[in-house]
Amino acid sequence: GNSVTQMEGPVTLSEEAFLTINCTYTATGYPSLFWYVQYPGEGLQLLLKATKADDKGSNKGFEATYRKETTSFHLEKGSVQVSDSAVYFCALEADTGGFKTIFGAGTRLFVKA
Amino acid sequence: DVKVTQSSRYLVKRTGEKVFLECVQDMDHENMFWYRQDPGLGLRLIYFSYDVKMKEKGDIPEGYSVSREKKERFSLILESASTNQTSMYLCASSPRGGRFYEQYFGPGTRLTVT
Repeated sequence: GNSVTQMEGPVTLSEEAFLTINCTYTATGYPSLFWYVQYPGEGLQLLLKATKADDKGSNKGFEATYRKETTSFHLEKGSVQVSDSAVYFCALEADTGGFKTIFGAGTRLFVKA
Repeated sequence: DVKVTQSSRYLVKRTGEKVFLECVQDMDHENMFWYRQDPGLGLRLIYFSYDVKMKEKGDIPEGYSVSREKKERFSLILESASTNQTSMYLCASSPRGGRFYEQYFGPGTRLTVT
């Protein structure tokens, strides 16, 4: 079946450090891939997405590249800020019709000043 | 500014009570969803609806029901609340079309069943 696996947290970094949050997926067909972010006390909001192999999604300094050969969609940012502290969810929408999105377990990021 | 609102941010109920969680979206979206969020498990889909009066079971529908009488409103009902339903409940909506469309989430309702 379809599934998403992302690295366990929490991840703790100092401000301006490089961030990588790993995400791998299992899916039939050609899924669309997403990263959502949940700031404290809020619902999830879309951070970036990629809809086909080799696409790169980017937003607010974050990037992720859809790698079909490694079934991965790792999230990266070159220099994190305290305001990036949040929970990050990797997700896929499988190419099987319907409206279901499969979410990973989430990775909590703490950024220290 | 697009918006999904949920009736309560925090709710405390007793075992056996009937609980209603309300969700309203102002984006004229066809699809609406209810998830529960638990540490280490991420988001799990309870029910979704792709049109008024239509509903589909998600991955964990047991102990829940839903109602969608109007396009903008999607209600989650716990018929007889139990302690294992203590969780964060998130509502979301998306436009018709399914693929490639992001979901818009409400702020969540943290439900405690004692």
